Amino acid sequence: EVQLAESGGGLVQPGGSLRLSCAASGFTFSNYWMTWVRQAPGKGLEWLANIKQDGSETYYVDSVKGRFTISRDSAKNSLFLQMNRLRVEDTAVYYCARIDLLTGLDFWGLGTLVTVSS
Amino acid sequence: DIVMTQTPLSLSVTPGQPASISCKSSQSLQQSDGATSLYWFLQKPGQSPQLLIYEVSSRFSGLPDRFSGSGSGTDFTLKISRVEAEDVGLYYCMQGKQLPYTFGQGTKLEIK
Repeated sequence: EVQLAESGGGLVQPGGSLRLSCAASGFTFSNYWMTWVRQAPGKGLEWLANIKQDGSETYYVDSVKGRFTISRDSAKNSLFLQMNRLRVEDTAVYYCARIDLLTGLDFWGLGTLVTVSS
Repeated sequence: DIVMTQTPLSLSVTPGQPASISCKSSQSLQQSDGATSLYWFLQKPGQSPQLLIYEVSSRFSGLPDRFSGSGSGTDFTLKISRVEAEDVGLYYCMQGKQLPYTFGQGTKLEIK
């Protein structure tokens, strides 16, 4: 059974940093692109970043480019999102998801809440 | 960026009745290989999104056949032939043709 479990969310002040993790199980992690998507309170879904199977390619939405870094550790079956220079508008639930070339974002984690506030 | 526009933004449906959600993209979602990268997700209350439909019309694993997707180019539709109580939630379309992936605003389905 495919499982994704995010962790690392919490309360942080504007300008601060946070590192999110996503533990993957039930599939061969190193075979899949992975992604982060977020959802601000009461709002819709926003794609943030993708990372290739070997980590050699990464892509970001403009709003987080230069502030967020997606990475992975296939030895630990883990995906990460390093978030720096956080802003109030980064407050959201952050989801990791698996990307299948045919079915797209086919499995999602439960999400972790990040609150940026002074 | 490709803009995804869903209508309606909310609908209230009697159990057993049909429901339909439209999703329009600002550009064609057809890829050079002929595939069309349009996906539908359902986010049930308090849950994370779950994939329903991929490539316009293919049902994801375990999805009941009362759900169907159709469309081409820039116009797409998700239909539920007979709505059940468990279908409540927010429905999102998403394009995967080009980055950034973009989602529709979401359509809230409620039961009358």
